[in-house]
Amino acid sequence: NAGVTQTPKFQVLKTGQSMTLQCAQDMNHEYMSWYRQDPGMGLRLIHYSVGAGITDQGEVPNGYNVSRSTTEDFPLRLLSAAPSQTSVYFCASRPTGFNQPQHFGDGTRLSIL
Amino acid sequence: AQSVTQLDSHVSVSEGTPVLLRCNYSSSYSPSLFWYVQHPNKGLQLLLKYTSAATLVKGINGFEAEFKKSETSFHLTKPSAHMSDAAEYFCVVILSGGYQKVTFGTGTKLQVIP
Repeated sequence: NAGVTQTPKFQVLKTGQSMTLQCAQDMNHEYMSWYRQDPGMGLRLIHYSVGAGITDQGEVPNGYNVSRSTTEDFPLRLLSAAPSQTSVYFCASRPTGFNQPQHFGDGTRLSIL
Repeated sequence: AQSVTQLDSHVSVSEGTPVLLRCNYSSSYSPSLFWYVQHPNKGLQLLLKYTSAATLVKGINGFEAEFKKSETSFHLTKPSAHMSDAAEYFCVVILSGGYQKVTFGTGTKLQVIP
């Protein structure tokens, strides 16, 4: 039972490079989200999806793109990496129903030089 | 609008003493409330959830939380701290309706002193 799987676990990029953070879940959850976690700021929502083919922006979407072609996968793309995007990124999924908790991946630690 | 306030950014207790981590929320609607724990360099793990069935909720590892509507609070407690409880704790609110927006508190770091 894998749950939410994020790859890679660590990544170092140079300013201006692009990359994709992968997220996959095997629980058939409709809702998926990407967060970034920075010291003292809790988790901030980047983008979310309520089902395949449907995505929307969260609090801090600038510089990131997402797509959701299948229920299982929700990749996050950094278009042109900037040092301000150095952070820990978490993917989460949950079933529909407002009393359903989120399930989190183990995170991707991203450093932009 | 909804928000979540974790009143203490850091809490320090001695091993074997009680733990109290405070969370207040503001919401115009009946919320679902959750506590998560994050150990260093790990993801977030669900400790417990409140979904209106009972105001006192028991979670994993001896933690519990009480929903007090009149005080708009959902404080997390544990009778006796263990060294393994040292971690960061997040209070989370989800509202019914629409996307069911998830709002996180800014977290409380719990230090347990031997």
